[in-house]
Amino acid sequence: EAQVTQNPRYLITVTGKKLTVTCSQNMNHEYMSWYRQDPGLGLRQIYYSMNVEVTDKGDVPEGYKVSRKEKRNFPLILESPSPNQTSLYFCASSEGLAGEDTQYFGPGTRLTVL
Amino acid sequence: QKEVEQDPGPLSVPEGAIVSLNCTYSNSAFQYFMWYRQYSRKGPELLMYTYSSGNKEDGRFTAQVDKSSKYISLFIRDSQPSDSATYLCATKEGAQKLVFGQGTRLTINP
Repeated sequence: EAQVTQNPRYLITVTGKKLTVTCSQNMNHEYMSWYRQDPGLGLRQIYYSMNVEVTDKGDVPEGYKVSRKEKRNFPLILESPSPNQTSLYFCASSEGLAGEDTQYFGPGTRLTVL
Repeated sequence: QKEVEQDPGPLSVPEGAIVSLNCTYSNSAFQYFMWYRQYSRKGPELLMYTYSSGNKEDGRFTAQVDKSSKYISLFIRDSQPSDSATYLCATKEGAQKLVFGQGTRLTINP
């Protein structure tokens, strides 16, 4: 089954404790992206990757890091989480962003930073 | 001004009603427009995709783009309780990112 998986689905942590949210896709997609979703603000892009070892900032990259060492994986790293990073996070992938390429979203990770 | 604006609702209608969901956008260069549906505790899934102006129909769903007024719409006919979800409009900015509206939470009452 074609899918994007994220782990963990739920996470409660404390300020300053480094964490990683994993994302994996099994569709051999080149493009992957991370979003955060907040009430009243919709989905905002954090980082994206056009291919292995190619990443770039989205609209809200501060406080986040990513890496793309393999095509299927695109982890999101919070080196020193803060309460304003409490949010719902989605990973997405697509073949590209040309024409009618469809973005497939993961199930989401709800992060709470105390 | 946000690039894509969408009334967050919530919107509540009786079963069988015609639902109209709308967004406006600011950049006349946008060409590709999408509607995503997001059920509670799930990720968004692509519902409709349109290019440039015009209408696109898929079953009970119709997506409409009016580039002259920078207005995009999604119509749902014969709405069902299973249509209850958050609907997000989106557009492509260049070849590298999607820009989303805030999402409209829709409830269809049996």
